[in-house]
Amino acid sequence: AQSVTQPDIHITVSEGASLELRCNYSYGATPYLFWYVQSPGQGLQLLLKYFSGDTLVQGIKGFEAEFKRSQSSFNLRKPSVHWSDAAEYFCAVAGRDDKIIFGKGTRLHILP
Amino acid sequence: DARVTQTPRHKVTEMGQEVTMRCQPILGHNTVFWYRQTMMQGLELLAYFRNRAPLDDSGMPKDRFSAEMPDATLATLKIQPSEPRDSAVYFCASGFMLGGQGGNTEAFFGQGTRLTVV
Repeated sequence: AQSVTQPDIHITVSEGASLELRCNYSYGATPYLFWYVQSPGQGLQLLLKYFSGDTLVQGIKGFEAEFKRSQSSFNLRKPSVHWSDAAEYFCAVAGRDDKIIFGKGTRLHILP
Repeated sequence: DARVTQTPRHKVTEMGQEVTMRCQPILGHNTVFWYRQTMMQGLELLAYFRNRAPLDDSGMPKDRFSAEMPDATLATLKIQPSEPRDSAVYFCASGFMLGGQGGNTEAFFGQGTRLTVV
């Protein structure tokens, strides 16, 4: 069965600084990988997804993520964060059965 | 603007009462998920359906929870009897998925039902 670990519960960065959120997954074959963002009181919005091909994936709002098979990782990055990026970020993994399993999330705080 | 619609958005009920949460998936989507979100456990998959048939409901407490899709436009999640530990936000999500073929796996989320059991 697939699983996801997000090691950081909270991350604080200054506005304008770069960001990297960590995600490690467990799955026996090539996974489908996702990053979602959740603003307070809202549902989840897809930022980006990886299915196959280029291991560097571009998403919305200036985010990107890199799939590293050797490290079972799919870290999310942004070169310069904005105050509006403050939210909770979820990494997720799915297999060929389309069963999407989420990590416990990382809450991002932005310092002005 | 296609979206997943969940009703009610908020529900407060007394312990022991039956609770029904409803979800209207995006038209044309064939896969529906139910998740429960709590501070302690995060987002837990309760059940998911394809073409109205349950694929996996192993995450759902069977003694009190049930999930169904009476038709392609409605998914329901029932709790009977409800308990305080069921207090959480319940999310429905839908997508058009082909069982891992073609890279269509992508779920669109509703805004959730916040359930409080007192």
